[in-house]
Amino acid sequence: DVKVTQSSRYLVKRTGEKVFLECVQDMDHENMFWYRQDPGLGLRLIYFSYDVKMKEKGDIPEGYSVSREKKERFSLILESASTNQTSMYLCASSSPRDSSYEQYFGPGTRLTVT
Amino acid sequence: GQQLNQSPQSMFIQEGEDVSMNCTSSSIFNTWLWYKQDPGEGPVLLIALYKAGELTSNGRLTAQFGITRKDSFLNISASIPSDVGIYFCAGCSARLLNFGNEKLTFGTGTRLTIIP
Repeated sequence: DVKVTQSSRYLVKRTGEKVFLECVQDMDHENMFWYRQDPGLGLRLIYFSYDVKMKEKGDIPEGYSVSREKKERFSLILESASTNQTSMYLCASSSPRDSSYEQYFGPGTRLTVT
Repeated sequence: GQQLNQSPQSMFIQEGEDVSMNCTSSSIFNTWLWYKQDPGEGPVLLIALYKAGELTSNGRLTAQFGITRKDSFLNISASIPSDVGIYFCAGCSARLLNFGNEKLTFGTGTRLTIIP
């Protein structure tokens, strides 16, 4: 059974803190993605990675950075958390060898910045 | 970045009713996907469509890839309580073997609530 796990389901941080969100997949997928989900806005792509040490900006990268040192792990970093980064964060993975283009999602991390 | 227009934004229906929702885009897509998100979970794929005009079913769910390749529709027949959740459409413009372009563009979501 395919599996994408995220390090925390709920996280509360203070403004200005550095925040790390971790994602691990066990499917040997090349592609990994970070989205944020907000009511009425759907899922918006923050960053994605096609390979180890490769990263590309998505639609809303400002205030975020990422790290992919190992194929199975993709980290999202909030350098200095702000209240407008309070959101649900979803990680996903996929393989370019899979012609369905399906992305497999983790359960999400609900981040609150106070 | 582009987002897909999905409607309606929310639906309140009674158990047993049929449901219809749609997604429109200003761009052409080569693949349309429909996902469902249960409360507290990540989205899970329901149906995938790969060809303009294609009609695909998965149990009580039926989805269609619009002829213009700029829209897609999802229908749920005879709704049951476990249909509650948020439904997302997603479009992909990648072509097979065009590695590196498998990003999905997601719709804004339709929240389905079933009234007892």
